Amino acid sequence: AQRVTQPEKLLSVFKGAPVELKCNYSYSGSPELFWYVQYSRQRLQLLLRHISRESIKGFTADLNKGETSFHLKKPFAQEEDSAMYYCAPHNDMRFGAGTRLTVKP
Amino acid sequence: GAGVSQSPSNKVTEKGKDVELRCDPISGHTALYWYRQSLGQGLEFLIYFQGNSAPDKSGLPSDRFSAERTGGSVSTLTIQRTQQEDSAVYLCASSLALNEKLFFGSGTQLSVL
Repeated sequence: AQRVTQPEKLLSVFKGAPVELKCNYSYSGSPELFWYVQYSRQRLQLLLRHISRESIKGFTADLNKGETSFHLKKPFAQEEDSAMYYCAPHNDMRFGAGTRLTVKP
Repeated sequence: GAGVSQSPSNKVTEKGKDVELRCDPISGHTALYWYRQSLGQGLEFLIYFQGNSAPDKSGLPSDRFSAERTGGSVSTLTIQRTQQEDSAVYLCASSLALNEKLFFGSGTQLSVL
């Protein structure tokens, strides 16, 4: 079965510190992976997708086929980044368990 | 245009009652998905529709859960004989096609007393 794993349920960093939210996948072939984010009292929304190779709100994510990972990174976390983050494979729509990021002042 | 609309936004019911949750996807979106989000849990995939067909029902937790979609548009998720463990936020999402960006509704908060 195709799966993504987000090993950390909770992640806490201080403002200005780098942050990395982990996502590992178990697929054959070329997975298409996305990151979704849910801010407090807002709808779940797309943050970025790997094929676009773009940076959104300072976040980037690179598909590493050797490590089968798609970690989400930001060099300097901001308080407004506090949210729930989900890694999602668009092959079967079964999201990872999610990581709650808290950025402390 | 309007986004994905879900109704009701909140539903309180008694254990054993049936409930219906409604999802209006974005016009023209062929794919529609249902998820459940429980407190402290992640997003649990329930079912998806491509048009009016549901190719994968394996995510439905039990046979008390069913869903349908008519006219390639509105979808209804029905939970029969509700149990307290059914309490959760039920999210609907739609996309222009399979494997495309998902647009989520604001969810239905279901509370089973």
